[in-house]
Amino acid sequence: QQQVKQSPQSLIVQKGGISIINCAYENTAFDYFPWYQQFPGKGPALLIAIRPDVSEKKEGRFTISFNKSAKQFSLHIMDSQPGDSATYFCAASKGNDMRFGAGTRLTVKP
Amino acid sequence: KAGVTQTPRYLIKTRGQQVTLSCSPISGHRSVSWYQQTPGQGLQFLFEYFSETQRNKGNFPGRFSGRQFSNSRSEMNVSTLELGDSALYLCASSLLGGNSYEQYFGPGTRLTVT
Repeated sequence: QQQVKQSPQSLIVQKGGISIINCAYENTAFDYFPWYQQFPGKGPALLIAIRPDVSEKKEGRFTISFNKSAKQFSLHIMDSQPGDSATYFCAASKGNDMRFGAGTRLTVKP
Repeated sequence: KAGVTQTPRYLIKTRGQQVTLSCSPISGHRSVSWYQQTPGQGLQFLFEYFSETQRNKGNFPGRFSGRQFSNSRSEMNVSTLELGDSALYLCASSLLGGNSYEQYFGPGTRLTVT
């Protein structure tokens, strides 16, 4: 069964805008929440990750917001650039058991 | 440090055949996980190996199997291939030290079954 629900499926943003991708999880035992970026023909690359003891983590233009009580977390991409156009996956894991969202295809228009 | 490598990158097989894919993890990483990625099902977990032992297995039929060697390199095998096995097969390695479960993916092997 799907344990991590990701939305939207696709997203189109203008250059300079903010891209927001949301994920919700079911298993409260999950304790590690990474985001991966995947370009066509490549494997997913770890972008940023958060643990449930913090509510926000920022790395450059990428920010994860985490709401433990709502079992939701989101990725914000500030000042989105055409080079950010890719598929983004959220994931949730407990130890070596990692579950992925279905992915969001982001297109940033110049 | 070299990343995760997978061979071959592309493979075309016929229904009924079997295939073996190889994954070399990042140096020092002892855990290797395998995933199947398809447009319809997304990233689905196949299995995970640590120190030559399978520790976790996803919901795939027994035709899918794997193993890990003492140098942490891993192989996965799919027997009696079906058309639905066409997918990108990804492996990911992890250090698994302390609280670190960060997984680093290889470029994948694109398998096409005809």
